[in-house]
This record gives sequence, C-alpha cells and structure tokens, in this order.
Amino acid sequence: DVKVTQSSRYLVKRTGEKVFLECVQDMDHENMFWYRQDPGLGLRLIYFSYDVKMKEKGDIPEGYSVSREKKERFSLILESASTNQTSMYLCASRPGQITDTQYFGPGTRLTVL
Amino acid sequence: GEDVEQSLFLSVREGDSSVINCTYTDSSSTYLYWYKQEPGAGLQLLTYIFSNMDMKQDQRLTVLLNKKDKHLSLRIADTQTGDSAIYFCAERGYSGGYNKLIFGAGTRLAVHP
Repeated sequence: DVKVTQSSRYLVKRTGEKVFLECVQDMDHENMFWYRQDPGLGLRLIYFSYDVKMKEKGDIPEGYSVSREKKERFSLILESASTNQTSMYLCASRPGQITDTQYFGPGTRLTVL
Repeated sequence: GEDVEQSLFLSVREGDSSVINCTYTDSSSTYLYWYKQEPGAGLQLLTYIFSNMDMKQDQRLTVLLNKKDKHLSLRIADTQTGDSAIYFCAERGYSGGYNKLIFGAGTRLAVHP
C-alpha cells in the first residue's frame, strides 16, 4: 500500500513563528502536492513539485514556500505564521502525470495563535 | 476559470440511497473523480469516470455523468453508517504545463438510523 505520512497530526504555533510541515511518501512517486482544507472551500492547492528540487506555485502560494531536496520528502514552510493560516494541511503524492490518482496523508491541523 | 461546485450537506436514513451532486465548468475535462474523507483522515479515491462515459458502476456506487449539463453525481445504494464522511468531487485541470486536480468544497454525508 502507498503510504504518505505527515510529521504531525496537530500543531499549535504563535504568530510570527517559522513553521515546517513535513511530508514523506514511500512509493518513489515523482509528484507531490500541498493543499489546505477549509470548511466550505474544499481543497486549495498551495504548491506542488514534479521532481526533486523542482517546485511550482499552486492557486494560493502567498505566505508559503516549499522544499524538495529528496524525492520522498516535500516540506511546506510558513516563514512567519499568521492567524489566517490556521487550517488543515494535506499532503499528497502521485506516481506521475499519466494518472491523476493522488494518495493523501492524514493531514496536519495547524492552529496559529 | 475552472470551478467545481457541490452542496455542503446531505442527510439520509440508513438503508436509503444517497445521491451527491456536483457541477463543473471545464468542458474539456477528460477525467472526473470522487474522493472520500473519513473523520480525521486524508482523502481516499473512491472512483473516477472518463468523459466519454455516461455511467460507471462499482458495487454500491454508481457515477452518472451528463456532459451537456456538466453535471456529475455519485449514488450510494443501501447507505450505511460507515458511509458517513465528506465526499469531494474533482476534475482534471491543466495549467502551466501540468495536470492538477480541481476540487469542490465537499459534501458532508450524515447517515442516521
């Protein structure tokens, strides 16, 4: 089975802190994605990566950055956390562009105080 | 632009059929998807349909696609309490040279005895 893991299920941070959310997949997938999920808005794409050291902006990249130094790991970084970044963050991976099937991690619920 | 819309809530009695509806805007979408999110978990692919199909059946699930009206539905027969979850409709989008998924806001299905 494909496994996508996220470093924390719950995280509480203070405004202005630098926050790292880690995602690891164990199936040698090329593509990885970060979404945020908010009630009534569904999933919105923040950033994605199609290869190591490669990144592309999604629909709402402002206030976020990413890092993909190794194929299996995709990190989401909040340089200076703000209260409007309180949300559920979901990581996903995909074998390649031929299929759209994405495999999701369990999510990290981030609260910024 | 691309947009996917679905109603936010649906309540059904155990044993009845559930029908979750979705509309999309991109007429060139080749694939449409249904994902399920159980409480505290990430999204799991339930089923998908190619745009050249009108219907797809998989055990208790039936997907209907009306391309003319850009309307997608998911029918769950004999709904069980274990079907309580959020259901996301998604279409394949294409921008910046890459395929990506465009998600609806999700429909929360509540199954009561």
